[in-house]
Amino acid sequence: SYELTQPPSVSVSPGQTARITCSADALPKQYAYWYQQKPGQAPVLVIYKDSERPSGIPERFSGSSSGTTVTLTISGVQAEDEADYYCQSADSSGTYPVVFGGGTKLTVL
Amino acid sequence: EVQLVQSGAEVKKPGESLKISCKGSGYSFTSYWIGWVRQMPGKGLEWMGIIYPGDSDTRYSPSFQGQVTISADKSISTAYLQWSSLKASDTAMYYCARVVPAAEADYWGQGTLVTVSS
Repeated sequence: SYELTQPPSVSVSPGQTARITCSADALPKQYAYWYQQKPGQAPVLVIYKDSERPSGIPERFSGSSSGTTVTLTISGVQAEDEADYYCQSADSSGTYPVVFGGGTKLTVL
Repeated sequence: EVQLVQSGAEVKKPGESLKISCKGSGYSFTSYWIGWVRQMPGKGLEWMGIIYPGDSDTRYSPSFQGQVTISADKSISTAYLQWSSLKASDTAMYYCARVVPAAEADYWGQGTLVTVSS
């Protein structure tokens, strides 16, 4: 089955830049999507189509793609950004089912 | 305002059946897919399947095919996730979300906690 690989954890100090990666063979051909999930809450879409930001998402959240890796970047991290982050994409056929990555716990020190 | 409101928490015994719901409002319910996502305690997100309420076209992730049934009643803008015989391993939070197939889930329900215990 298709898999997306994320680091289990990333730690940064407030005000620094956090980068969370997601890797898979089909990412050059398929868009990636990123979700933020805070404890006890439903996920929230923060990036779609690799680098687009939904309305209401702060500008410090950005996405990029290079080869088989996509990256969620949070510039000027704030304490409220501490959460789990999940990438999502599809395999090379582009059809359902899509899959989530294993998730990355972002800790703000 | 787009909203997905899910039914309340459930406590069931192994072997029992269950049907949980997800009611959409603030948009054309029949024009968007609805997906279901499982999150087991302390674990990540897993797509279970999606349904298009307009014609009830349903697609399941391989891991969940045959384990659950996804349905929808477009007359009341509600999607369902059901089990015929629950197992302890079905204990999880279940989320519904408005989805574009192979693309984003832009709105999410608040989640329904299902606990299966003898």
